[in-house]
Amino acid sequence: GAVVSQHPSRVICKSGTSVKIECRSLDFQATTMFWYRQFPKQSLMLMATSNEGSKATYEQGVEKDKFLINHASLTLSTLTVTSAHPEDSSFYICSARGDRLRDELFFGSGTQLSVL
Amino acid sequence: GDSVTQMEGPVTLSEEAFLTINCTYTATGYPSLFWYVQYPGEGLQLLLKATKADDKGSNKGFEATYRKETTSFHLEKGSVQVSDSAVYFCAAGSARQLTFGSGTQLTVLP
Repeated sequence: GAVVSQHPSRVICKSGTSVKIECRSLDFQATTMFWYRQFPKQSLMLMATSNEGSKATYEQGVEKDKFLINHASLTLSTLTVTSAHPEDSSFYICSARGDRLRDELFFGSGTQLSVL
Repeated sequence: GDSVTQMEGPVTLSEEAFLTINCTYTATGYPSLFWYVQYPGEGLQLLLKATKADDKGSNKGFEATYRKETTSFHLEKGSVQVSDSAVYFCAAGSARQLTFGSGTQLTVLP
């Protein structure tokens, strides 16, 4: 099946710094990518939807300036957590939907962000 | 919006035991229903899906039936294996927008 690579798997940073998380589709072109946030023992919550070459669509309550999403190519989307604070600590997961397999989502392995 | 309520875990079973993980949903319209599995250190993988009422999704011995009358999509397996230990997520919607349950941790003991 299609593979989505997410990097890094774990990151620890100081409060006030920015962190970039990458999501790559390795063997297909991802026309749409999704970013989720997951708190312990809770659901995956959709943060934003990004389409290649256009601005991301953010869900209600998600700060656009805090969580910058770039989907510059058909195989790469990035999420940058700017000026991170401890409350941004969470598990972030990306998923991708391809052109040919439009009914299925392929997920990255997630990134555990800890902000000290 | 859509919502998915999933049986809370963790669930611990002995090998060869019968598994049921309950999932109910609320949605406008008729969503597709999915079960995803997440093995330790890996991403979510689609386990099975059903796109309309009375459809049965099945894969690797797991089954779930789309029950419109009870708005449910319970996951079952007749005989679990140690290798089935993972977190299972129920989801409703489509590839354009999915709503997930909170996940159920399953541990199967030898």
